[in-house]
Amino acid sequence: KAGVTQTPRYLIKTRGQQVTLSCSPISGHRSVSWYQQTPGQGLQFLFEYFSETQRNKGNFPGRFSGRQFSNSRSEMNVSTLELGDSALYLCASSESQNTQYFGPGTRLTVL
Amino acid sequence: GQQVMQIPQYQHVQEGEDFTTYCNSSTTLSNIQWYKQRPGGHPVFLIQLVKSGEVKKQKRLTFQFGEAKKNSSLHITATQTTDVGTYFCAGPGSARQLTFGSGTQLTVLP
Repeated sequence: KAGVTQTPRYLIKTRGQQVTLSCSPISGHRSVSWYQQTPGQGLQFLFEYFSETQRNKGNFPGRFSGRQFSNSRSEMNVSTLELGDSALYLCASSESQNTQYFGPGTRLTVL
Repeated sequence: GQQVMQIPQYQHVQEGEDFTTYCNSSTTLSNIQWYKQRPGGHPVFLIQLVKSGEVKKQKRLTFQFGEAKKNSSLHITATQTTDVGTYFCAGPGSARQLTFGSGTQLTVLP
């Protein structure tokens, strides 16, 4: 099976802009989770979607949102970007809320 | 909320030396997972432990789950340069999403 894919791999935005990141899970996986990884904070859970419904949400402001489509592909959106949003955004898919299979990530830089 | 702590944060070893990272949860875990992230890469699943006191081996890697299911360790025997990376433990929280430890960054000096 093909692995988790994420697009784009790199992104540069300026403060105040918004961004949409995309994730295609492993075929057959219905759960998609998003994480933010920064050197200082480690891996922080953003949210998890299962069958187009948000099942869990981490402790992030409302500027961070996501959705999942019927084919299990997921997108996350960050509005009104701040400098502190610069990070590696990782998507992970799983068959259940268990073993996570991570994609390569999207490296977001906010200037 | 649940907290998963890992120590040490950084570890430098000479090639051939052993390495251990420890993981402690504030709550009892139904299972614990370990992941490895190479520099510039993404986390890759290594193993899952489920039973109290469980010990699993993968070549030079030995994983243990504590009797109380609140702690775990990963031990690497005779490290090699290919072991370089950050090792994360992760356990399911009350809402069942995985909570990751802060990771141990391993550097292996040749």
